[in-house]
Amino acid sequence: SQLAEENLWALSVHEGESVTVNCSYKTSITALQWYRQKSGEGPAQLILIRSNEREKRNGRLRATLDTSSQSSSLSITATRCEDTAVYFCATSPNTDKVVFGTGTRLQVSP
Amino acid sequence: EAAVTQSPRNKVAVTGGKVTLSCNQTNNHNNMYWYRQDTGHGLRLIHYSYGAGSTEKGDIPDGYKASRPSQENFSLILELATPSQTSVYFCASGDRLGDQNTLYFGAGTRLSVL
Repeated sequence: SQLAEENLWALSVHEGESVTVNCSYKTSITALQWYRQKSGEGPAQLILIRSNEREKRNGRLRATLDTSSQSSSLSITATRCEDTAVYFCATSPNTDKVVFGTGTRLQVSP
Repeated sequence: EAAVTQSPRNKVAVTGGKVTLSCNQTNNHNNMYWYRQDTGHGLRLIHYSYGAGSTEKGDIPDGYKASRPSQENFSLILELATPSQTSVYFCASGDRLGDQNTLYFGAGTRLSVL
């Protein structure tokens, strides 16, 4: 079973709208990462949020972390077509192992 | 300039044959990883390595071996390939900052086992 799991398989929005991808995890963590994978590419990290942080921002991206409910969210404001991708959350059950969720496919249409 | 390079990018293999997927990184990271990606399963960890000479089993190691002969190179070996190993394989290097790893991925290898 997955140690981290995004809650939705797919989302679809129009350009300019905001969207939120949610993730739940099963183990205690020191940090949670969000990655984005565009078609034909490997994943790339967007945000790393540590367990003592509740929120982290990176441009139009905002990640939150709630350790009491073992959940995280990634919000994207003012979406663009180039935000179309699969979004993964990832956790580390030990210092070196990194485990990914199944991903949420986001489609942004004009 | 790509810092994690996988070869080949595409591979067709026969059932029962041996397949070697190669990965080279110029990031000078200690950690390296092999994942496979299948629809509905996301990225699943096969093997990883802390450094030259080390390999560790991930979550789905059965049917796969790994080799880390140097800091830069990490190979994934399928001794007896099966159709169930048809997938896209990703290699990554890990930039360990304190107690966390940021992973840097290659572009992937698409493997078809017929």
